[in-house]
Amino acid sequence: NAGVTQTPKFRVLKTGQSMTLLCAQDMNHEYMYWYRQDPGMGLRLIHYSVGEGTTAKGEVPDGYNVSRLKKQNFLLGLESAAPSQTSVYFCASGQVTGETQYFGPGTRLLVL
Amino acid sequence: DQQVKQNSPSLSVQEGRISILNCDYTNSMFDYFLWYKKYPAEGPTFLISISSIKDKNEDGRFTVFLNKSAKHLSLHIVPSQPGDSAVYFCAASENYGGSQGNLIFGKGTKLSVKP
Repeated sequence: NAGVTQTPKFRVLKTGQSMTLLCAQDMNHEYMYWYRQDPGMGLRLIHYSVGEGTTAKGEVPDGYNVSRLKKQNFLLGLESAAPSQTSVYFCASGQVTGETQYFGPGTRLLVL
Repeated sequence: DQQVKQNSPSLSVQEGRISILNCDYTNSMFDYFLWYKKYPAEGPTFLISISSIKDKNEDGRFTVFLNKSAKHLSLHIVPSQPGDSAVYFCAASENYGGSQGNLIFGKGTKLSVKP
């Protein structure tokens, strides 16, 4: 039982490049989330999903897209990376929204 | 406007003493509160939670107190250990009447427990 896993762990991008961050959970959770953590800013919700095939915007969705084609996977895409997207990205999952969420180890992204 | 505030960015405590981490919220509809702990280069891990129908929840060395009238909650760690050194995030959500909202996180407090 791996819980929540994230791929990759670290990535360096040039401005304008695209990439996809993968999140996978093996707990059969309905809800999945993508957060970013920046110094002094805490955890801010980017997008979330309330079930397979659904997505919704969070607090800071601009510049990101997401997809949830399978219940266990939640993908975060950056179509044209910008230096402002340099951050640590965390994926989380939960069985009931608004209650306990389980986080992955994070992806550190540097955009030059 | 911040709905969940952790006004102390850092806290330093001696091993064996009590650590008290504070959190204030502005949304009176919040009725479920959580604390997460985060070590460097790891994801946050769930620590303890409390529903608004309670004013205290205890789990081993960790106790969370909720003061609804003051819109304030605190996490007490007794006794503090060096392994407790981490960033602690407070989070809140609105589950009232089945309208379940997402978690809103504070900015975190970095706790350092000195041997």
